[in-house]
This record gives sequence, C-alpha cells and structure tokens, in this order.
Amino acid sequence: DAGVIQSPRHEVTEMGQEVTLRCKPISGHDYLFWYRQTMMRGLELLIYFNNNVPIDDSGMPEDRFSAKMPNASFSTLKIQPSEPRDSAVYFCASRRGGDTQYFGPGTRLTVL
Amino acid sequence: SQKIEQNSEALNIQEGKTATLTCNYTNYSPAYLQWYRQDPGRGPVFLLLIRENEKEKRKERLKVTFDTTLKQSLFHITASQPADSATYLCALERSWGKLQFGAGTQVVVTP
Repeated sequence: DAGVIQSPRHEVTEMGQEVTLRCKPISGHDYLFWYRQTMMRGLELLIYFNNNVPIDDSGMPEDRFSAKMPNASFSTLKIQPSEPRDSAVYFCASRRGGDTQYFGPGTRLTVL
Repeated sequence: SQKIEQNSEALNIQEGKTATLTCNYTNYSPAYLQWYRQDPGRGPVFLLLIRENEKEKRKERLKVTFDTTLKQSLFHITASQPADSATYLCALERSWGKLQFGAGTQVVVTP
C-alpha cells in the first residue's frame, strides 16, 4: 500500500483565497483524521470521520474551516477565506478500528 | 484542562548511550499511551503503544514504561544511533478515537 496520500505537499496562497487540501486514506481504514501542526500549538486534532461520517469537529478553529469525506477513499479540508494565521502543516491520518494511526506526509500551507 | 508535558529542551546524547524521554500528564485517565517518531518534513510514525494495565513494553532497542499512579511514561532508546535523531511525541487517548499529542522532545545523537 502507498500509505496515506496528501496533496498538494506545499501550498502558498494569499490571504482571502480559498484553499483545499486533499487526502486519500489507506484502503480498508475506516477512520480518517485531520490534524494541524504549528510550533506554537503542536499537533492538534481538527476533525475525524468514521465510515465517512464526521464524528467530532470540536477542534475546527472556526467556520472558515470545513471538511468532507464523500467516500471511503477521499477527504478534503477547505479553508475559505484563508488568513495568515492558518499557515501550518496539515496532516491527514487514517486508522482501521482501534489500531494505530498512520499519518500522511502533510501539506505545508503558507498564507501571505 | 487536560495537559501533556514533554521535555521542551532537545536531548543531546552520544552514540551508544541510552536516551530517556519523559511524558507527564494531568487530568487524564487514559486507557493507553502511544509514542511516535517525527522526522523533519514528515508525518509522525507510530512506534509503541502501552496500555494502562501494562508496566513496560519493548520493541527492539525501544522501551516504554507507564506509571498511572505517577501519571508518567518514560521512553528509552538504548544503544542510541545517529539515525535515532528525531522528535519523539507521546499521545494519550482523550476519548475513543481521539488522541492528544504532547509537544515532542527532539533527540540529537552524535557519533
């Protein structure tokens, strides 16, 4: 298996623009997690899905952030409009049942 | 509030020695605790999981202990090698499915 796939790997955008981050989980995994990592706040859980259904989005910072999982092999995290404070590395992770989490390589987002 | 604390200062250690990292937590009663390794520019990679009823877990040169009374986990890398240089994160289960991560401790192993 190729592992968790994220795209793009790097994104530079201007404040106010819409940003869409993409994730393909490992086949057969029924949980998908979106995290954000910054120097100041470390690795934070934003939202997670089970069988494509959002279970807990309490970590989503505000309404500018939204996440979808239309099917078992694809998820998106959207920021609209983006702000400089959204600059971070965004990780997607997947898991099968109660097993351990497997992280993707991350998307480094820079909002100017 | 629930807190996880790891040594914020980098741990510099000579090759061949044992590196010991600490993870302390408050206001938790986790069913298990996990340790991850993160290299620059990469996502965290799972290393070990230890459950609340386990005192110690080993995997090759890695050893983890879990003291639920002290609310502390220790992570040991024995016979350390330069390739062990990375940031190590501990993570606790907040509720089923959700992990909360510590800030991580950077380990630098010099030849």
